Amino acid sequence: ETGVTQTPRHLVMGMTNKKSLKCEQHLGHNAMYWYKQSAKKPLELMFVYSLEERVENNSVPSRFSPECPNSSHLFLHLHTLQPEDSALYLCASSRLGAGGLTGELFFGEGSRLTVL
Amino acid sequence: AQSVAQPEDQVNVAEGNPLTVKCTYSVSGNPYLFWYVQYPNRGLQFLLKYITGDNLVKGSYGFEAEFNKSQTSFHLKKPSALVSDSALYFCAVRRGGSSNTGKLIFGQGTTLQVKP
Repeated sequence: ETGVTQTPRHLVMGMTNKKSLKCEQHLGHNAMYWYKQSAKKPLELMFVYSLEERVENNSVPSRFSPECPNSSHLFLHLHTLQPEDSALYLCASSRLGAGGLTGELFFGEGSRLTVL
Repeated sequence: AQSVAQPEDQVNVAEGNPLTVKCTYSVSGNPYLFWYVQYPNRGLQFLLKYITGDNLVKGSYGFEAEFNKSQTSFHLKKPSALVSDSALYFCAVRRGGSSNTGKLIFGQGTTLQVKP
């Protein structure tokens, strides 16, 4: 148990569906992240939220839409995905202080997404 | 630009023998370095980090890593491997500094296989 919970753990969706991934952290952190993990590729940082404000968007296609309603929750809304979007989506959180980010990230277990 | 290289896709070691998983990095300024471990169908778990201070850092499960600035390396080591150490290991680097919002760059991962 890392204090970061992701739901659902597994999701299968068609290319025309709309679904959402949810992440919740119980650690009192103020920064949250979405990473994509595909087979044989390094982890890709998708989005960073600091104090509920998006501070990083790594050229992610608009079919992925993040939402951070408060410091404990992070969503990734999915629509009209492609089969190549099938991957493990990892949420993480950390504490961001006055000196920047020196602490480690705490990851959830991931949401395994399959796009048919 | 920041980058991390893990030159070995897989490391095989016999139980009880010492293990080393290699990592080299490239970053402007002072690096913050991390090691994470991922077990099958799980999220990433933090092992250890180097921010400043002693070049030898000790982490979870008996792992340690040595920061070598001249060689820009941060190799992960353990004196005596266990079968349960078999997993996927990721090295990660972040540029230090107060403007750092947390963009953590991961290596491609090294699979550690410990044989009984």
